[in-house]
Amino acid sequence: QVQLVQSGAEVKKPGASVKVSCKVSGHTLSDLSMHWVRQTPGKGLEWMGGFDPEHAETIYGENWQGRVTVTEDTSTATAYMELTSLTSEDTAMYYCASRRFGNYYFDYWGQGTLVTVSS
Amino acid sequence: QSVLTQPPSVSAAPGQKVTISCSGRRSSIGNNYVSWYQQLPGTAPKLLICEDNKRPSGIPDRFSGSKSGTSATLGITGLQTGDAANYYCGTWDSNLSAWVFGGGTKLTVL
Repeated sequence: QVQLVQSGAEVKKPGASVKVSCKVSGHTLSDLSMHWVRQTPGKGLEWMGGFDPEHAETIYGENWQGRVTVTEDTSTATAYMELTSLTSEDTAMYYCASRRFGNYYFDYWGQGTLVTVSS
Repeated sequence: QSVLTQPPSVSAAPGQKVTISCSGRRSSIGNNYVSWYQQLPGTAPKLLICEDNKRPSGIPDRFSGSKSGTSATLGITGLQTGDAANYYCGTWDSNLSAWVFGGGTKLTVL
């Protein structure tokens, strides 16, 4: 059973950056495609970016190009999402989600990390 | 505005059946598998249906998925109060080269 455990809530000032982690257990991280999804208060899900195994590269949503970076550390089985130049509109819940190679759906999700941007 | 279109809300009484629609384009639903996610209040999304109509292990057969052309449908029979949640459809969009989701549908079990 795959488990994804995310880092705790963050409070940041406008203009700062935030780095959220997602610890993977129950499966080898290198055999998973890890992604990040944002959910703003009272709104739906928005895919930010993740690893595309079909092309062996990390891809990002159009709205996030240049501001978000998704990385992995296989030695600690941890995925990371860093978001820069924060504004109040980035106040949201951020989820990591996993996709197994060859599957076209996100089968496991982290518990979410609330990022609050406030001066 | 979401790439996939869902009704904002649906409601039905316990024991009844409800369907939730998800409309997209050829580049999204038309050419790629659709998955459905259930988000109970205060929790993370959970995979409910994958590959248009397959139920992952542990998902009751009260939940079903179907697809026709550029639209997909989630069906829930024998509604229970515990089914009250937000439901999201998702798929890959080949033109956008991005994963896309519907705006979500809030299910109220009256």
